[in-house]
Amino acid sequence: GAGVSQSPSNKVTEKGKDVELRCDPISGHTALYWYRQSLGQGLEFLIYFQGNSAPDKSGLPSDRFSAERTGGSVSTLTIQRTQQEDSAVYLCASSLGTTREQYFGPGTRLTVT
Amino acid sequence: GEDVEQSLFLSVREGDSSVINCTYTDSSSTYLYWYKQEPGAGLQLLTYIFSNMDMKQDQRLTVLLNKKDKHLSLRIADTQTGDSAIYFCAESPGGGATNKLIFGTGTLLAVQP
Repeated sequence: GAGVSQSPSNKVTEKGKDVELRCDPISGHTALYWYRQSLGQGLEFLIYFQGNSAPDKSGLPSDRFSAERTGGSVSTLTIQRTQQEDSAVYLCASSLGTTREQYFGPGTRLTVT
Repeated sequence: GEDVEQSLFLSVREGDSSVINCTYTDSSSTYLYWYKQEPGAGLQLLTYIFSNMDMKQDQRLTVLLNKKDKHLSLRIADTQTGDSAIYFCAESPGGGATNKLIFGTGTLLAVQP
């Protein structure tokens, strides 16, 4: 079946602009995660959604970052007033709520100029 | 605290066995994972092990877990050039309500023909 998809695959934006990154999880997966991969920080957890529960936002680096998940499926990660240090690959993963296996999408490479 | 460490680089000849090592610090981790990342690609789940096991074998892959020393290893038998990639170990701390993954720095495996 189809895996996790993310769009866009690449995004170049100017410092100070807002960006939205999209994630489509595997159909039927109730858990959705966002991670960030950068040279300086490695792979970092950002946020987690599980069903209708309140999301775990403990990994978001600042209040410029937010995410929502509509209808328990698609998720959007929004970064406001982007900074150069936001440049990274943003990865989305999903899993069945009762399993521990997370499946990752190909990522969105964000470059802030 | 949560911290996962790996050696940065491993070079092997095709046909040899590869052993990639990882140490973690959170003794509450109930699951430990190995992911593979090929150039320009997302993360691929290779295998995972439950903390009450000390070994898991899956075709060419063998995972060893020493819970006392908080040491995890991945052995790849008969390593092929297609195995060249970055390998990440990850823990999932069991004390939290989420299944967020804490990743190591990654080990670059280079397979020489």
